[in-house]
Amino acid sequence: EVQLVESGGGLEQPGGSLSLFCAASGFAFDDYAMHWVRQPPGKGLEWVAGIRWSSVNIDYADSVKGRFTISRDNARKSLSLEMNSLKIEDTALYYCVKDKSYSSSGALDHWGRGTPVTVSS
Amino acid sequence: QSVLTQPPSVSAAPRQRITITCSGGTSNIGSNFVHWYQQVPGKAPKLLVYDDHSLSSGVSDRFFTFKSGTSASLAISGLQSEDEADYYCASWDDTLRTLVFGGGTKLTVL
Repeated sequence: EVQLVESGGGLEQPGGSLSLFCAASGFAFDDYAMHWVRQPPGKGLEWVAGIRWSSVNIDYADSVKGRFTISRDNARKSLSLEMNSLKIEDTALYYCVKDKSYSSSGALDHWGRGTPVTVSS
Repeated sequence: QSVLTQPPSVSAAPRQRITITCSGGTSNIGSNFVHWYQQVPGKAPKLLVYDDHSLSSGVSDRFFTFKSGTSASLAISGLQSEDEADYYCASWDDTLRTLVFGGGTKLTVL
């Protein structure tokens, strides 16, 4: 059974930093692209970043480019999101998500339960 | 403003059929696959349809999709109360080099 378990969310002040982690199990982690998708309270889904199986190709939403860094450790079956210069509008539930493909196809077939991030002074 | 445009809400009675539209452009829907997600309140999204027309495992054949040019649609026939959820379309955008989602459509079964 595929499992994605996020951790690391919490409350941080504007301008601060947080790191999110995702532990994956139940599938060949290094065969698939992975993503972070967020959902602000009461709002829709927003793709944040994606990383291909080999980490060669990495993409970011314009809203986080230059502030967030996605990375993966295939040996440890983990995905990370380092978030710097946090803004109030980064407040959201952050999902760790598996792609159906080794590349970033956008067909996201397994989702974690999410970890909440709140940016507030 | 979302790159992909969906109606905010649709509603219909049980056993009726509804259609949710998703309008995009040549850099996304016009040149890449469309995927559809269902999100029940309080739960993580679930992949419903991928690569334009492929139903995910376990998804009822009451769900079907259309795609033409820069627009796509999700249709649900024989509406059931369990279909009440938010529905999102998504597609890769070659110009932005990002995955773009529609704003979501809230389906209410009356």
